[in-house]
Amino acid sequence: EAGVTQFPSHSVIEKGQTVTLRCDPISGHDNLYWYRRVMGKEIKFLLHFVKESKQDESGMPNNRFLAERTGGTYSTLKVQPAELEDSGVYFCASSQDFVVVFGPGTRLTVT
Amino acid sequence: AQSVTQLDSHVSVSEGTPVLLRCNYSSSYSPSLFWYVQHPNKGLQLLLKYTSAATLVKGINGFEAEFKKSETSFHLTKPSAHMSDAAEYFCVVSGGRAAGNKLTFGGGTRVLVKP
Repeated sequence: EAGVTQFPSHSVIEKGQTVTLRCDPISGHDNLYWYRRVMGKEIKFLLHFVKESKQDESGMPNNRFLAERTGGTYSTLKVQPAELEDSGVYFCASSQDFVVVFGPGTRLTVT
Repeated sequence: AQSVTQLDSHVSVSEGTPVLLRCNYSSSYSPSLFWYVQHPNKGLQLLLKYTSAATLVKGINGFEAEFKKSETSFHLTKPSAHMSDAAEYFCVVSGGRAAGNKLTFGGGTRVLVKP
């Protein structure tokens, strides 16, 4: 079966610009998560969708981050406007039970 | 609330020698625990999981981990390191179904394997 896919794999943008990250979960997985790892720090939870509904967005750092999951399928994470401290690797993951499968991540660099 | 501490940020071993990666956790309920591995330029891959069944858990690539409730530990071991084991390893605790299976990660242990 296809795994979790993320696009793009890398993104380099300037401070103040907008970036949209996309995640396609494993087909049939109701749960979709976003995590991120900023430089030198731990991997941190951002938010959790169950189908199209936000179940938990307690990890979203501020209102510059907006996540959507249209129709309960793929998800997007938009950063607008991007700041230098947003640089890091953004991981998407999905699950149907307690085992969470991660995508390869999107490396975001804000200059 | 839950937390994970990986006691070593870096571990260096010689090929063919044992590997030990240490992890301590804190959780208010019976935890589910995982080890994930990230090879360079790759995503996070599940190595093994503990979910309140056998306390000694076997994973892929010859790795295993032992859940010790009295010590709140979940150390990862492998009898003989291979060059391909060079990667970063993450100990992870799950908040369980009530918390949407939200994962809390340790800081990671980077493993270097010397020939």
